Amino acid sequence: KQEVTQIPAALSVPEGENLVLNCSFTDSAIYNLQWFRQDPGKGLTSLLLIQSSQREQTSGRLNASLDKSSGRSTLYIAASQPGDSATYLCAVDWFKAAGNKLTFGGGTRVLVKP
Amino acid sequence: GAVVSQHPSRVICKSGTSVKIECRSLDFQATTMFWYRQFPKQSLMLMATSNEGSKATYEQGVEKDKFLINHASLTLSTLTVTSAHPEDSSFYICSAKAGPPYEQYFGPGTRLTVT
Repeated sequence: KQEVTQIPAALSVPEGENLVLNCSFTDSAIYNLQWFRQDPGKGLTSLLLIQSSQREQTSGRLNASLDKSSGRSTLYIAASQPGDSATYLCAVDWFKAAGNKLTFGGGTRVLVKP
Repeated sequence: GAVVSQHPSRVICKSGTSVKIECRSLDFQATTMFWYRQFPKQSLMLMATSNEGSKATYEQGVEKDKFLINHASLTLSTLTVTSAHPEDSSFYICSAKAGPPYEQYFGPGTRLTVT
Protein backbone atom coordinates (compact mmCIF):
# COMPACT_ATOMS: atom_id res chain seq x y z
CA LYS A 1 0.00 0.00 0.00
CA GLN A 2 1.29 3.46 -0.91
CA GLU A 3 1.56 5.67 2.15
CA VAL A 4 3.14 8.99 3.11
CA THR A 5 4.28 9.78 6.64
CA GLN A 6 5.39 13.04 8.20
CA ILE A 7 7.18 13.09 11.54
CA PRO A 8 7.00 15.02 13.80
CA ALA A 9 3.38 16.10 13.76
CA ALA A 10 4.30 19.39 15.40
CA LEU A 11 7.46 21.45 15.70
CA SER A 12 8.29 24.65 17.57
CA VAL A 13 11.48 26.65 16.93
CA PRO A 14 12.78 30.11 17.83
CA GLU A 15 12.92 32.70 15.08
CA GLY A 16 16.06 32.52 12.99
CA GLU A 17 16.60 28.82 13.40
CA ASN A 18 16.59 26.60 10.31
CA LEU A 19 13.59 24.31 9.89
CA VAL A 20 13.92 20.70 8.77
CA LEU A 21 10.71 18.90 7.86
CA ASN A 22 10.66 15.22 7.04
CA CYS A 23 8.52 13.18 4.69
CA SER A 24 8.81 9.45 4.06
CA PHE A 25 6.96 7.34 1.53
CA THR A 26 6.57 3.69 0.65
CA ASP A 27 7.15 2.62 -2.96
CA SER A 28 10.01 4.49 -4.58
CA ALA A 29 8.36 4.52 -8.04
CA ILE A 30 6.97 8.02 -7.63
CA TYR A 31 6.09 10.40 -10.45
CA ASN A 32 6.55 13.58 -8.43
CA LEU A 33 6.39 14.92 -4.89
CA GLN A 34 4.92 18.23 -3.78
CA TRP A 35 5.31 20.27 -0.63
CA PHE A 36 2.43 22.49 0.41
CA ARG A 37 1.78 25.06 3.08
CA GLN A 38 -1.61 25.48 4.72
CA ASP A 39 -2.59 28.34 6.99
CA PRO A 40 -5.53 27.83 9.38
CA GLY A 41 -8.85 27.91 7.56
CA LYS A 42 -7.21 28.33 4.17
CA GLY A 43 -6.50 26.22 1.13
CA LEU A 44 -3.11 24.77 0.20
CA THR A 45 -0.31 26.78 -1.32
CA SER A 46 2.12 24.82 -3.47
CA LEU A 47 5.69 25.45 -2.34
CA LEU A 48 7.84 23.13 -4.39
CA LEU A 49 7.38 20.27 -6.79
CA ILE A 50 10.16 17.72 -7.30
CA GLN A 51 9.92 15.47 -10.29
CA SER A 52 11.03 11.87 -10.11
CA SER A 53 14.23 12.60 -12.04
CA GLN A 54 15.28 15.47 -9.75
CA ARG A 55 17.14 15.38 -6.45
CA GLU A 56 16.25 18.82 -5.18
CA GLN A 57 14.39 22.04 -5.85
CA THR A 58 15.00 25.47 -4.42
CA SER A 59 12.86 28.58 -4.08
CA GLY A 60 14.14 31.46 -2.00
CA ARG A 61 14.67 30.24 1.56
CA LEU A 62 13.12 26.89 0.75
CA ASN A 63 14.98 23.81 -0.41
CA ALA A 64 13.48 20.37 -0.88
CA SER A 65 15.48 17.23 -1.45
CA LEU A 66 14.35 13.88 -2.76
CA ASP A 67 15.94 10.49 -2.17
CA LYS A 68 13.77 7.89 -3.86
CA SER A 69 15.93 4.93 -2.87
CA SER A 70 15.37 5.60 0.80
CA GLY A 71 11.82 6.88 0.31
CA ARG A 72 12.47 10.30 1.80
CA SER A 73 12.07 13.97 1.09
CA THR A 74 13.19 16.82 3.31
CA LEU A 75 12.04 20.41 3.24
CA TYR A 76 14.53 22.93 4.59
CA ILE A 77 13.46 26.45 5.48
CA ALA A 78 16.39 28.71 6.21
CA ALA A 79 16.35 31.45 8.84
CA SER A 80 12.78 30.84 9.95
CA GLN A 81 10.42 33.73 10.55
CA PRO A 82 7.15 33.95 12.53
CA GLY A 83 5.36 34.18 9.18
CA ASP A 84 6.55 30.66 8.40
CA SER A 85 4.21 29.33 11.09
CA ALA A 86 1.76 27.04 9.31
CA THR A 87 1.09 23.39 8.59
CA TYR A 88 3.35 21.87 5.97
CA LEU A 89 2.07 18.96 3.94
CA CYS A 90 3.99 16.54 1.78
CA ALA A 91 2.15 14.72 -1.02
CA VAL A 92 3.27 12.04 -3.45
CA ASP A 93 1.91 11.37 -6.93
CA TRP A 94 2.41 7.79 -7.98
CA PHE A 95 0.52 8.65 -11.20
CA LYS A 96 -1.41 5.78 -12.74
CA ALA A 97 -0.22 3.36 -10.07
CA ALA A 98 -2.37 5.27 -7.59
CA GLY A 99 -5.19 6.51 -9.76
CA ASN A 100 -3.55 9.77 -10.80
CA LYS A 101 -4.10 11.26 -7.36
CA LEU A 102 -1.96 12.70 -4.59
CA THR A 103 -1.39 10.81 -1.36
CA PHE A 104 -0.88 13.18 1.55
CA GLY A 105 1.10 12.86 4.72
CA GLY A 106 -0.50 13.94 7.96
CA GLY A 107 1.35 17.24 7.97
CA THR A 108 3.76 18.96 10.34
CA ARG A 109 2.40 21.91 12.29
CA VAL A 110 5.17 24.50 12.64
CA LEU A 111 5.32 27.34 15.14
CA VAL A 112 8.12 29.87 14.85
CA LYS A 113 8.39 31.86 18.06
CA PRO A 114 9.53 35.50 17.90
CA GLY B 1 1.66 29.98 -10.59
CA ALA B 2 -1.71 28.71 -11.74
CA VAL B 3 -4.81 29.90 -9.88
CA VAL B 4 -7.79 27.88 -8.75
CA SER B 5 -10.84 29.62 -7.33
CA GLN B 6 -13.73 28.31 -5.28
CA HIS B 7 -17.14 29.82 -4.72
CA PRO B 8 -18.58 30.39 -2.23
CA SER B 9 -15.86 30.68 0.41
CA ARG B 10 -18.39 30.21 3.19
CA VAL B 11 -21.95 28.91 3.18
CA ILE B 12 -24.48 28.25 5.88
CA CYS B 13 -27.51 26.19 5.00
CA LYS B 14 -30.37 24.47 6.74
CA SER B 15 -30.54 20.74 7.18
CA GLY B 16 -32.24 19.07 4.22
CA THR B 17 -31.25 21.63 1.62
CA SER B 18 -28.68 21.24 -1.14
CA VAL B 19 -25.54 23.31 -1.63
CA LYS B 20 -23.43 23.72 -4.76
CA ILE B 21 -19.74 24.58 -4.63
CA GLU B 22 -17.88 25.70 -7.74
CA CYS B 23 -14.23 25.12 -8.54
CA ARG B 24 -12.60 26.96 -11.43
CA SER B 25 -9.13 26.89 -12.92
CA LEU B 26 -8.65 30.51 -13.91
CA ASP B 27 -5.63 30.51 -16.17
CA PHE B 28 -5.18 26.93 -17.32
CA GLN B 29 -7.19 23.98 -18.54
CA ALA B 30 -7.52 21.10 -16.13
CA THR B 31 -8.47 17.72 -17.44
CA THR B 32 -8.60 16.40 -13.90
CA MET B 33 -9.99 18.03 -10.79
CA PHE B 34 -10.17 16.63 -7.29
CA TRP B 35 -12.47 17.24 -4.35
CA TYR B 36 -11.23 16.92 -0.78
CA ARG B 37 -12.78 17.22 2.62
CA GLN B 38 -10.86 18.32 5.68
CA PHE B 39 -11.84 18.02 9.32
CA PRO B 40 -10.28 20.28 11.97
CA LYS B 41 -6.60 19.57 12.59
CA GLN B 42 -6.60 16.68 10.14
CA SER B 43 -5.07 16.19 6.74
CA LEU B 44 -7.07 16.23 3.53
CA MET B 45 -9.33 13.33 2.66
CA LEU B 46 -9.85 12.75 -1.05
CA MET B 47 -13.52 12.40 -1.91
CA ALA B 48 -13.49 12.01 -5.66
CA THR B 49 -11.55 12.50 -8.88
CA SER B 50 -13.32 14.36 -11.63
CA ASN B 51 -12.39 14.12 -15.30
CA GLU B 52 -13.87 16.49 -17.85
CA GLY B 53 -16.76 14.95 -19.72
CA SER B 54 -16.89 11.73 -17.75
CA LYS B 55 -18.29 10.45 -14.48
CA ALA B 56 -16.39 11.15 -11.32
CA THR B 57 -14.50 8.39 -9.53
CA TYR B 58 -15.44 8.30 -5.85
CA GLU B 59 -13.23 7.08 -3.04
CA GLN B 60 -14.40 4.21 -0.90
CA GLY B 61 -16.98 5.28 1.64
CA VAL B 62 -18.03 8.45 -0.19
CA GLU B 63 -21.69 8.44 -1.21
CA LYS B 64 -21.92 9.43 -4.86
CA ASP B 65 -25.64 10.16 -4.61
CA LYS B 66 -25.02 12.57 -1.78
CA PHE B 67 -21.98 14.32 -3.21
CA LEU B 68 -22.77 15.01 -6.85
CA ILE B 69 -19.84 16.05 -8.98
CA ASN B 70 -20.09 17.58 -12.42
CA HIS B 71 -17.08 18.46 -14.56
CA ALA B 72 -18.71 20.11 -17.53
CA SER B 73 -15.71 21.94 -18.94
CA LEU B 74 -11.93 22.03 -18.71
CA THR B 75 -12.10 24.91 -16.25
CA LEU B 76 -15.12 24.15 -14.08
CA SER B 77 -16.11 21.40 -11.69
CA THR B 78 -18.99 21.56 -9.22
CA LEU B 79 -19.71 19.65 -6.04
CA THR B 80 -23.31 19.52 -4.87
CA VAL B 81 -24.00 18.34 -1.34
CA THR B 82 -27.56 17.04 -1.49
CA SER B 83 -29.91 16.92 1.48
CA ALA B 84 -27.21 18.29 3.71
CA HIS B 85 -27.03 17.31 7.37
CA PRO B 86 -25.00 18.78 10.24
CA GLU B 87 -22.44 15.99 9.90
CA ASP B 88 -21.68 17.27 6.39
CA SER B 89 -20.33 20.47 7.93
CA SER B 90 -16.71 20.62 6.94
CA PHE B 91 -14.05 22.40 4.90
CA TYR B 92 -14.21 21.37 1.24
CA ILE B 93 -11.20 21.98 -1.00
CA CYS B 94 -10.81 21.39 -4.70
CA SER B 95 -7.68 21.06 -6.76
CA ALA B 96 -6.86 21.00 -10.44
CA LYS B 97 -4.12 19.17 -12.22
CA ALA B 98 -2.21 21.00 -14.94
CA GLY B 99 -0.19 19.42 -17.74
CA PRO B 100 3.26 17.83 -17.27
CA PRO B 101 4.78 17.71 -14.69
CA TYR B 102 1.19 17.46 -13.43
CA GLU B 103 1.48 19.80 -10.50
CA GLN B 104 -1.71 20.16 -8.49
CA TYR B 105 -3.06 23.57 -7.60
CA PHE B 106 -5.54 24.01 -4.80
CA GLY B 107 -8.47 26.32 -4.31
CA PRO B 108 -8.91 28.40 -1.16
CA GLY B 109 -11.58 26.09 0.23
CA THR B 110 -15.25 26.39 1.13
CA ARG B 111 -16.44 26.29 4.73
CA LEU B 112 -19.84 24.58 4.84
CA THR B 113 -21.96 24.81 7.97
CA VAL B 114 -25.26 22.93 8.10
CA THR B 115 -27.62 24.02 10.84
